[in-house]
Amino acid sequence: TQLLEQSPQFLSIQEGENLTVYCNSSSVFSSLQWYRQEPGEGPVLLVTVVTGGEVKKLKRLTFQFGDARKDSSLHITAAQPGDTGLYLCAGVRGFQKLVFGTGTRLLVSP
Amino acid sequence: DTEVTQTPKHLVMGMTNKKSLKCEQHMGHRAMYWYKQKAKKPPELMFVYSYEKLSINESVPSRFSPECPNSSLLNLHLHALQPEDSALYLCASSQSKVGQGRLMNTEAFFGQGTRLTVV
Repeated sequence: TQLLEQSPQFLSIQEGENLTVYCNSSSVFSSLQWYRQEPGEGPVLLVTVVTGGEVKKLKRLTFQFGDARKDSSLHITAAQPGDTGLYLCAGVRGFQKLVFGTGTRLLVSP
Repeated sequence: DTEVTQTPKHLVMGMTNKKSLKCEQHMGHRAMYWYKQKAKKPPELMFVYSYEKLSINESVPSRFSPECPNSSLLNLHLHALQPEDSALYLCASSQSKVGQGRLMNTEAFFGQGTRLTVV
């Protein structure tokens, strides 16, 4: 059973469209992280959300942590081809294990 | 310096070879990780080192042997691998802090990975 489920698994959109990626769990996390990974590279940390209900913005990316700290969302406004990549949510389980969600593969076409 | 450096970037090895993957960080992080990632899948945790001691082994086969010589270095020794072990191997590090009376790891910073091919 996957601890962190992401949806959708794959998203193909045109440049300029908006999108939302969801990360859901039945477990409570003290914090959740979002990473973006490009082919052949390691994941790059985008943001950490800690407080239930917290909203963080990173340019055109908006991250929200659910009130119960079991879920999170990533919203991208006016997507660009440079946003293409694998988006991963992750959380620390049992204080030491950083585990990843199932991943969302985003393709933004010009 | 927020870099985690992994070497080599690419490695091709035969099933009878012995090789090592290396990872280095100078951020003062006391938790270090090895992950394995197959194509189009999320990274899967293999090992966690906390303060240079192995704290988590996710039932990884003994042909993978981790080593943490000091707080900045993490190695993964490989021996008698199988073709299905071909994958991207990622090293990461994170801070450890005390929270809820326990040592907790925070967000991780990753290296670029080693693309391993077993032939």
